[in-house]
Amino acid sequence: GDSVTQMEGPVTLSEEAFLTINCTYTATGYPSLFWYVQYPGEGLQLLLKATKADDKGSNKGFEATYRKETTSFHLEKGSVQVSDSAVYFCALKRSQAGTALIFGKGTTLSVSS
Amino acid sequence: EAGVAQSPRYKIIEKRQSVAFWCNPISGHATLYWYQQILGQGPKLLIQFQNNGVVDDSQLPKDRFSAERLKGVDSTLKIQPAKLEDSAVYLCASSLKELIAGNTIYFGEGSWLTVV
Repeated sequence: GDSVTQMEGPVTLSEEAFLTINCTYTATGYPSLFWYVQYPGEGLQLLLKATKADDKGSNKGFEATYRKETTSFHLEKGSVQVSDSAVYFCALKRSQAGTALIFGKGTTLSVSS
Repeated sequence: EAGVAQSPRYKIIEKRQSVAFWCNPISGHATLYWYQQILGQGPKLLIQFQNNGVVDDSQLPKDRFSAERLKGVDSTLKIQPAKLEDSAVYLCASSLKELIAGNTIYFGEGSWLTVV
């Protein structure tokens, strides 16, 4: 079945460091891909998305490119801030009707000043 | 625009008791989802509604969980009787139209359940 695999956390970085969180997927057809973020005590928020191959999603300095050849959607940010500390979830959604988001297990990011 | 509303935010119950969670989606959103998020894991779909019809409930433990969306707007998720392993955050989410690829799904803040 469809699935999403994220790198194990926690990821611990100093402020202004470069961030990469790896995400790969298995799916039939051409799914849409998403990154959601969950700040402590809050609900899931959409961070960015890409709906077709080679699309780049971006938001708040974060970027991810939909790579069909490697079935990947890695999240990157050039300079992280303490406020970026959160849990990041990669997810996919098949294009057919009647399908919901399938999430990875999440990666915890902790940024220290 | 108001977001997805959920209540209660926190609930502690003893095993074998029952509990109900309520969700009001974003106005006009036809699709409503209930997800279960166990600590340290990603959210897992329990049930998906399109208006007041069930689209997918394949992962809903039907012997103890039930959900309804009678008028195609708000929804209730019930657990009876609760087990210790039901301790989790129950997330409600909604989206405008299911048939659009890449359609954004919006989540509520979740209802945190602890079963003791």
